[in-house]
Amino acid sequence: GQQLNQSPQSMFIQEGEDVSMNCTSSSIFNTWLWYKQDPGEGPVLLIALYKAGELTSNGRLTAQFGITRKDSFLNISASIPSDVGIYFCAGPGGSQGNLIFGKGTKLSVKP
Amino acid sequence: DAGVTQSPTHLIKTRGQQVTLRCSPKSGHDTVSWYQQALGQGPQFIFQYYEEEERQRGNFPDRFSGHQFPNYSSELNVNALLLGDSALYLCASSLGGRHEQYFGPGTRLTVT
Repeated sequence: GQQLNQSPQSMFIQEGEDVSMNCTSSSIFNTWLWYKQDPGEGPVLLIALYKAGELTSNGRLTAQFGITRKDSFLNISASIPSDVGIYFCAGPGGSQGNLIFGKGTKLSVKP
Repeated sequence: DAGVTQSPTHLIKTRGQQVTLRCSPKSGHDTVSWYQQALGQGPQFIFQYYEEEERQRGNFPDRFSGHQFPNYSSELNVNALLLGDSALYLCASSLGGRHEQYFGPGTRLTVT
C-alpha cells in the first residue's frame, strides 16, 4: 500500500533557527497536506498544496509540492518556542478524501 | 465558528466491553472521518461517513462501526474491546470529497 516517509524523525531547534523537513511517497499524489500536532491535541492543518511545483506560505511556514509529485517539503523560518510539536505530512489514500499520514517529525527545543 | 468537537475527552474501559465515541463536525461540513492514532504514530484511517452512509473504510475489523446522523454528527462504536484498541481516536470533518480535513481534539481511550 501507499506509504509516506518523513525525515528527519526528530530534530532540536534553537530559537531563531530555520527548520526544514520533508516527506516522500511511494506513489504520486495530487494533494499534499501538512499538519502540526501538540501533545494531547488533534492535528491542526497548516498548509494544503494542490499542484506540482506549488509553493505556499502561512506566516513563517512555507511548503512546496515536489515536481515529481512524490515528495513535499516544509520549512519554518526563524523558529520560536511555540513551533515545538509534531509535524505530519498527509496525502490522499483514496478517491473520496481519506488521508494517509507519515509518522511525523518531532520538533523539540535544544536544551 | 465552532470547530470539530468530540466527547468524551478520556475514557477507560475493560477488555471485552463496548464503547461509543461522539463527534460534531465543523460548521458547514458534511463529511466525517475517523482515525485511530497509536502513541508515536500518525493517524490511521478507520472510515468516512457522508450522507449518513459509510463511504470508505480502512483496514479495521468489523468490531469498529459507525453512524452519521442527519445533522452530520457521527458516532464511532467499538465492540469487544482489546488492549490494542487503546489509542487516541480522532474525528475529522470536511466538505464533500475535499481532502482538507479539520480535526477535533480527540478521545483518549484506555483499555485495561
